Amino acid sequence: GAGVSQTPSNKVTEKGKYVELRCDPISGHTALYWYRQSLGQGPEFLIYFQGTGAADDSGLPNDRFFAVRPEGSVSTLKIQRTERGDSAVYLCASSLWVNSPLHFGNGTRLTVT
Amino acid sequence: EDQVTQSPEALRLQEGESSSLNCSYTVSGLRGLFWYRQDPGKGPEFLFTLYSAGEEKEKERLKATLTKKESFLHITAPKPEDSATYLCAVQAGGGSQGNLIFGKGTKLSVKP
Repeated sequence: GAGVSQTPSNKVTEKGKYVELRCDPISGHTALYWYRQSLGQGPEFLIYFQGTGAADDSGLPNDRFFAVRPEGSVSTLKIQRTERGDSAVYLCASSLWVNSPLHFGNGTRLTVT
Repeated sequence: EDQVTQSPEALRLQEGESSSLNCSYTVSGLRGLFWYRQDPGKGPEFLFTLYSAGEEKEKERLKATLTKKESFLHITAPKPEDSATYLCAVQAGGGSQGNLIFGKGTKLSVKP
């Protein structure tokens, strides 16, 4: 079946601009996660949802970052006033429930110039 | 502070040359330890979950083992298609269930 889909695959934006990154999870998966991966590093937790609500957003670096999952399926990660340090690959994952294995998408590579 | 350290950072093997990758962890109570494989430009792909010391899991040429302080990913007679970065992650008892702490990974290259 279809895996986790992330769009766009690449995004280049100017410093100070607003961006939205989209994640379509595997159908039927109740939990959805956002991670961020910088070059040569492992993924770093940002936020995860159980259903429509954010169960843990402790990894969001500051209030410029926000994520929603209004209908318990698709999620959008929103970044305001982007900074060069936000450049990274943003990974989305979903799982059947919280304690089951995560299935990752191929990520959105964000470059802030 | 919960921490995961993987070694070596990079490993070059000849095809058929068996070896092991190490994942050392320091966490406040371990809920689970996970191994993922990541190919360039792709997201991590799930391999194994281990929950308690002494547990072992196998899949093709890979075997994962767990002790109270570390996990090993053993690769037997590797092939070039096993070349990838292998990531270890832990789910800590003090954190939320959705928050995995990843190591930096071991980049494995297998030459024919």
